[in-house]
Amino acid sequence: GAVVSQHPSWVICKSGTSVKIECRSLDFQATTMFWYRQFPKQSLMLMATSNEGSKATYEQGVEKDKFLINHASLTLSTLTVTSAHPEDSSFYICSAHGTLLTEAFFGQGTRLTVV
Amino acid sequence: GENVEQHPSTLSVQEGDSAVIKCTYSDSASNYFPWYKQELGKGPQLIIDIRSNVGEKKDQRIAVTLNKTAKHFSLHITETQPEDSAVYFCAASMGGGTALIFGKGTTLSVSS
Repeated sequence: GAVVSQHPSWVICKSGTSVKIECRSLDFQATTMFWYRQFPKQSLMLMATSNEGSKATYEQGVEKDKFLINHASLTLSTLTVTSAHPEDSSFYICSAHGTLLTEAFFGQGTRLTVV
Repeated sequence: GENVEQHPSTLSVQEGDSAVIKCTYSDSASNYFPWYKQELGKGPQLIIDIRSNVGEKKDQRIAVTLNKTAKHFSLHITETQPEDSAVYFCAASMGGGTALIFGKGTTLSVSS
């Protein structure tokens, strides 16, 4: 199946700093990418929908100025957590859809720990 | 918007037994229902999916059934093995590249 690569797999940062997470579709063009957040022992919660070349659409309650999403090409979307705080510590997962693909392909996830 | 309920939250079975996980959805416009297996510290992996024009789909030991009228779908795993132990999520979407809405997950434990 199609491959989605997410990087880094884990990151530790200091409170107040920013962290960038990359999501790449390796063998298909991802017209739409989604970003999810998963707290321990909980489900995946949709944060935002990202379409190539346009602004991301954020779910209710997700701060767009804190979670910056860029989808500048058909193979790359980035999520930047700005001014991170300990409560932002979570597992962040991206998924990608291609125009010719009917299913979503997920990245490996990024474990963010803010200290 | 769509809401997906999943039961049970935990399920323990003996190796070789069957396991059934059930989900209900609220939006009748949803037409795509995948099931994912997630192991600790990893992203979800698609194990089987079904679309609204089909009532049942099977892939070896795994099957999914869909009842559109009742708006529920179920995952059936037969002849369970210890390596089936993981968290399983159901999800629903309107297809066409729209976002998946996930259930809360079921932790399946298969003991040998």
